[in-house]
Amino acid sequence: SYVLTQPPSVSVTPGKTAGITCGGVHFRSESVNWYQQRPGQAPLLVISYDTDRPSGIPERFSGSNSGNTATLTISRVEAGDEADYYCQVWDSSSNHWVFGGGTKLTVL
Amino acid sequence: QLQLQESGPGLVKPSETLSLTCTVSGVSISSSYYWWGWFRQPPGKGLEWIGTSYYTGSTYYNPSLQARVTVSLDTSMNQFSLKLTSVAAADTAVYYCARQPSSPRPQPAPFDYWGQGILVAVSS
Repeated sequence: SYVLTQPPSVSVTPGKTAGITCGGVHFRSESVNWYQQRPGQAPLLVISYDTDRPSGIPERFSGSNSGNTATLTISRVEAGDEADYYCQVWDSSSNHWVFGGGTKLTVL
Repeated sequence: QLQLQESGPGLVKPSETLSLTCTVSGVSISSSYYWWGWFRQPPGKGLEWIGTSYYTGSTYYNPSLQARVTVSLDTSMNQFSLKLTSVAAADTAVYYCARQPSSPRPQPAPFDYWGQGILVAVSS
């Protein structure tokens, strides 16, 4: 079963680039999804299948997957990007969804 | 416009059954294009997937909850439900329902629309 490891927190100044990693295991053939969750709100899908950006998500959000580590990159960070971010993978060996522990992005 | 709305009791006693309903508007839950799922998030903690169901009756459950969980669809009401038996304090959480598009890819698609969530406390 997958164990997805995310850093508990990442800090960035406005206008800079933030990178949030998801790793700890080798991603077999599975791809990674990313969700943004602002305080008191439901999760919002921001990246699917490693790199796909759903309609309405700014181009500043991008994803990558090196095989051992997936990364969510947020360019030109804005105050409104401050949120918790979760990675998610479908564990095909046991047919269930797994989440990382989440990363709190703080915009200084 | 697609909307998902969770409803149910906000307080459940230990050892009893937690029952929640997700009312969907804007799309038919009997569509072959979508699966329907439940998630939860304990206060101050991360997200946990509970289970997902399809209009055919196919379901997938979190192995850690499988013995206590049932997700079912009521296509006549365009609602789907969650039942979690023998609850304990550890089941206190915000519960979310969400939509998952069907995907031709080998890996399932992620969840693209979510309800606002409902807080359920387990306490005597």
